[in-house]
Amino acid sequence: RKEVEQDPGPFNVPEGATVAFNCTYSNSASQSFFWYRQDCRKEPKLLMSVYSSGNEDGRFTAQLNRASQYISLLIRDSKLSDSATYLCVVNKKAAGNKLTFGGGTRVLVKP
Amino acid sequence: DVKVTQSSRYLVKRTGEKVFLECVQDMDHENMFWYRQDPGLGLRLIYFSYDVKMKEKGDIPEGYSVSREKKERFSLILESASTNQTSMYLCASIPGLVGETQYFGPGTRLLVL
Repeated sequence: RKEVEQDPGPFNVPEGATVAFNCTYSNSASQSFFWYRQDCRKEPKLLMSVYSSGNEDGRFTAQLNRASQYISLLIRDSKLSDSATYLCVVNKKAAGNKLTFGGGTRVLVKP
Repeated sequence: DVKVTQSSRYLVKRTGEKVFLECVQDMDHENMFWYRQDPGLGLRLIYFSYDVKMKEKGDIPEGYSVSREKKERFSLILESASTNQTSMYLCASIPGLVGETQYFGPGTRLLVL
């Protein structure tokens, strides 16, 4: 079983709609969680960190469920520019600064 | 703004060649990482370094070595390139704080013929 798992998609989303997807992690010692965004043929870039209490950044909302060991990302009022691959990233305290990446969820927003 | 640069965006090499991929960061970060990214496999950690002259194996170090002679520079070396090393290579750096995010370079697309 992969340490961090994501539905690869693609999620085909009408412009203006809401889309949500999850990421599950297997190691209960995981401490820090992030969502990265990666555009085609570009490097990953941090979208947002995920906090225990859940957090929001504009149209993006991230949630953490430690009991069920998953994090989620919700995108409201989807824009064409939201089309990208979203990578779930997990850090274990014992691993120092090593991050473990999920395979990514591809989102395609269509007019 | 943190800047992580990589020496080449695209590289074509022949089987058996020695290949050097260079990564430089300008923010005095202690930690640097080399990943490769392949379709369906995501990002996989090859090597990382916590300090100058220090290196540790990641998840897939076979066929690779690294060098960190200066804090700002982390080099990935393919001693004898093989076709299964055709991939996108990404360098990343991070300050010394646990839980902080990584900053990535633009990547090097390597094709080994």
